[in-house]
Amino acid sequence: AQKVTQAQTEISVVEKEDVTLDCVYETRDTTYYLFWYKQPPSGELVFLIRRNSFDEQNEISGRYSWNFQKSTSSFNFTITASQVVDSAVYFCALSEAGYQKVTFGTGTKLQVIP
Amino acid sequence: DAMVIQNPRYQVTQFGKPVTLSCSQTLNHNVMYWYQQKSSQAPKLLFHYYDKDFNNEADTPDNFQSRRPNTSFCFLDIRSPGLGDAAMYLCATSRGGDRGAAGYTFGSGTRLTVV
Repeated sequence: AQKVTQAQTEISVVEKEDVTLDCVYETRDTTYYLFWYKQPPSGELVFLIRRNSFDEQNEISGRYSWNFQKSTSSFNFTITASQVVDSAVYFCALSEAGYQKVTFGTGTKLQVIP
Repeated sequence: DAMVIQNPRYQVTQFGKPVTLSCSQTLNHNVMYWYQQKSSQAPKLLFHYYDKDFNNEADTPDNFQSRRPNTSFCFLDIRSPGLGDAAMYLCATSRGGDRGAAGYTFGSGTRLTVV
C-alpha cells in the first residue's frame, strides 16, 4: 500500500523568507513516481514536478527546489524568497508503477504574509 | 491547446436531485479519473476508467456512478446528492500503461453545492 505523509498542516512565513515543505512516503515498490502539486484558492491543481524513483538528483526550477532522499523516503520542497503568490495548498503525491492511481498527502497550507 | 475541460465550473443542485458533471479531454489519454475533494482535505479517488474498463474504489458510495461513452468524455453521476456530497470534483487523465499514473493532467474542477 502506498502512503504519503505531510506532517505540516499550515505554515506562515513572511515574504522573502525561505520555506521547506516536508513529504514522507511509504511504498513497497521499487519503481514509483513522486509529485508535487499546487492548489491556489481558485481550486485547480497545478502540476509542479514529477520524480521517478531512479532519479535522486535534486532539482531546481527558479525559486523552487526539490530534495529527494530515498534513504529517508522523503521528497521535500523548498521555496526560496517566498512571494505572496506562493500562498496555496501544496500536495505531495505518490504513484506506483503499474497502478493507475496517485495517492495524495493531506496537503500543507502555505500562507506568505506581505 | 490539449487539455482537460470540466463543465460546469460551479454547480448548485437540490438535495436528492440527480446531477451530472462532465469532463472532456483532447489529450487522447487512456485513463480518466474522478476525484472528490472536500474542504481542507486531500483529493480522494472515486473511480477511474482505463479505456472502457471501469475501476471503482472500494469505499466509493453507490450513489456515485460514472460513464465513459468514448475516449474523450467521462461523466460523473450523483444519483441522490446529499449535503455531504458538497465538494470540489476533479477530473484527471493519464496515458496509462506499465508506467502507471506517471503524471496526471487535471481539469480545473467543478465545485458542487447541495442545497
